[in-house]
Amino acid sequence: QSALTQPASVSGSPGQSITISCTGTSSDVGGYNYVSWYQQHPGKAPKLVIYEVNNRPSGVSYRFSGSKSGNTASLTISGLQTEDEADYYCGSYTLRNTLVVFGGGTKLTVL
Amino acid sequence: EVLLVESGGGLVKPGGSLRLSCAASGFTFSNAWMTWVRQAPGMGLEWVGRIKSKSNGGTTYYAAALKNRFTISRDDSKNTVDLQMNSLETEDTGVYYCVMGIAGHWDDAFDMWGQGTMVTVSS
Repeated sequence: QSALTQPASVSGSPGQSITISCTGTSSDVGGYNYVSWYQQHPGKAPKLVIYEVNNRPSGVSYRFSGSKSGNTASLTISGLQTEDEADYYCGSYTLRNTLVVFGGGTKLTVL
Repeated sequence: EVLLVESGGGLVKPGGSLRLSCAASGFTFSNAWMTWVRQAPGMGLEWVGRIKSKSNGGTTYYAAALKNRFTISRDDSKNTVDLQMNSLETEDTGVYYCVMGIAGHWDDAFDMWGQGTMVTVSS
């Protein structure tokens, strides 16, 4: 059982927008502005797409954006493309038994 | 080009030990805080532990559930970071990633990942 809760799957059509939620507690998501999001294609290492809630690393498409409200963070992908189909994980800084907790992952299907 | 290359994975019996190593290149390794993250087959990511740079004390921090069995060390002369795993359990099976965060976000924004090394704990 993961510390952060994500939906198991989401889907969308090319060109549409989708949002993936990540719900934690005041000890992680709600307590720090250190939420990150990772994209993982099958058999590959994860790739950072958002950090510090809403910052994009160099080279990541502007179509990826993040936000947070209370204990829930969200990743929005606009203008869906087929290559966005992947698993997405949220992560948050915490000081509860570990330094970082991750969500269980969300499988994004681009129909 | 930043590269992180893990090695040392393999098959080990329950109760056994294994030492993973990560060779780093393309950046000033001595300044970096290095992290290990693992992923069980078909499952999500799990943070394992981190070692700070020596200039920041070289201190380590582990997930509470792993603290007594896993040890991270670094050799700045060789640009390597190791993960010593003892008393291995079947639940330790998975891919182990060597990871580095963005400078200033060493503990919360992991933008460099190795390719991973597979550890299988089975009798």
